[in-house]
Amino acid sequence: NAGVTQTPKFQVLKTGQSMTLQCAQDMNHEYMSWYRQDPGMGLRLIHYSVGAGITDQGEVPNGYNVSRSTTEDFPLRLLSAAPSQTSVYFCASRQGPQETQYFGPGTRLLVL
Amino acid sequence: AQSVAQPEDQVNVAERNPLTVKCTYSVSGNPYLFWYVQYPNRGLQFLLKYITGDNLVKGSYGFEAEFNKSQTSFHLKKPSALVSDSALYFCAVRDRGDSWGKLQFGAGTQVVVTP
Repeated sequence: NAGVTQTPKFQVLKTGQSMTLQCAQDMNHEYMSWYRQDPGMGLRLIHYSVGAGITDQGEVPNGYNVSRSTTEDFPLRLLSAAPSQTSVYFCASRQGPQETQYFGPGTRLLVL
Repeated sequence: AQSVAQPEDQVNVAERNPLTVKCTYSVSGNPYLFWYVQYPNRGLQFLLKYITGDNLVKGSYGFEAEFNKSQTSFHLKKPSALVSDSALYFCAVRDRGDSWGKLQFGAGTQVVVTP
């Protein structure tokens, strides 16, 4: 049981490049989320999903896309990277609204 | 809308002294409340949660928190801090009435425990 896994751990992009941050969980959780962490701002919700085929926007969705084709995977796509997207990205999952949310180890992204 | 306030950016405490990290929240309905800890270059780890029942919740590593509905607070406490407790602590709230169950985090409080 690996829990929530994220790849890559670290990535450097140039402005305008696109990339996909991968997230997978092996706990059969319905709920999955993407957050970004910036100093002094806590974690802010980017996008979330309550099951395969169902996604919605969070607090800071601009510049990001998601899809949920399977229960296990929830990739986050940066369409055209900007320096403002330099951050640490965390994926999380949980079974239901009352349940504990589990976090992946994070992806550190630097956009030059 | 829901929100969480952690009024202290940093808390400094000497080893073996009591540790308190403050959290207040705002939700339109009744809350689910959580505390997470983050060690350097790591993801967030769950410490404890309040769902219902006893207002005093005990969690991992000797931490506890008390839910106070009248003061809308959920302060994290540890009777005797360890140097290894030095980390970033996050309070989070979820509105029970939110069917999607979105979790709102505070900005975090850095805890520094000195020997």
